[in-house]
Amino acid sequence: ELKVEQNPLFLSMQEGKNYTIYCNYSTTSDRLYWYRQDPGKSLESLFVLLSNGAVKQEGRLMASLDTKARLSTLHITAAVHDLSATYFCAVDMFRGSGTYKYIFGTGTRLKVLA
Amino acid sequence: EAGVAQSPRYKIIEKRQSVAFWCNPISGHATLYWYQQILGQGPKLLIQFQNNGVVDDSQLPKDRFSAERLKGVDSTLKIQPAKLEDSAVYLCASIVERDGDEQFFGPGTRLTVL
Repeated sequence: ELKVEQNPLFLSMQEGKNYTIYCNYSTTSDRLYWYRQDPGKSLESLFVLLSNGAVKQEGRLMASLDTKARLSTLHITAAVHDLSATYFCAVDMFRGSGTYKYIFGTGTRLKVLA
Repeated sequence: EAGVAQSPRYKIIEKRQSVAFWCNPISGHATLYWYQQILGQGPKLLIQFQNNGVVDDSQLPKDRFSAERLKGVDSTLKIQPAKLEDSAVYLCASIVERDGDEQFFGPGTRLTVL
């Protein structure tokens, strides 16, 4: 069964610092998704990575995908307080019936300290 | 474009009572998902519909949970009878079709079972 693990689970960092969140998954998949969830809110899509070597950037966040290593990273540059949230990665798994199932990671709870 | 709508936003019930949640996906989205998100965890798939057919309900506790998507548009998820461990946020998500599309999530229904 496909497993998706993130680390760290909790991250407390100072404003202005850089850090990376890792997402490892256990079986072959070419597509990986990053979501952000604020407390008490729903999930908001951040990035969709569709192929090996894909890199996407939005503001202070940059996501990359290495399908051979089954690893995605979410890099935070010069963190600001507004980035405080929980970040989830998700991987899809083809069922063979033309449909896909999304498996979510454990989540990384990020707190950026002023 | 209107997003995924869910209601109610909050519900508090006693154990052994029944409850129902409603979801209206984005217009034209054929695939609809119901997830359960327990505090501090990632979303867990309960059931997936494609149009009005069930694609995957392997993790739905069928002795107490039921879901339907009549006419392939909106959907309801019911719990009867509720248990304490059903306290969670129930998220509905939809995608238009299979082509690397990320899921669009509704605001969720926060259920508290006392």
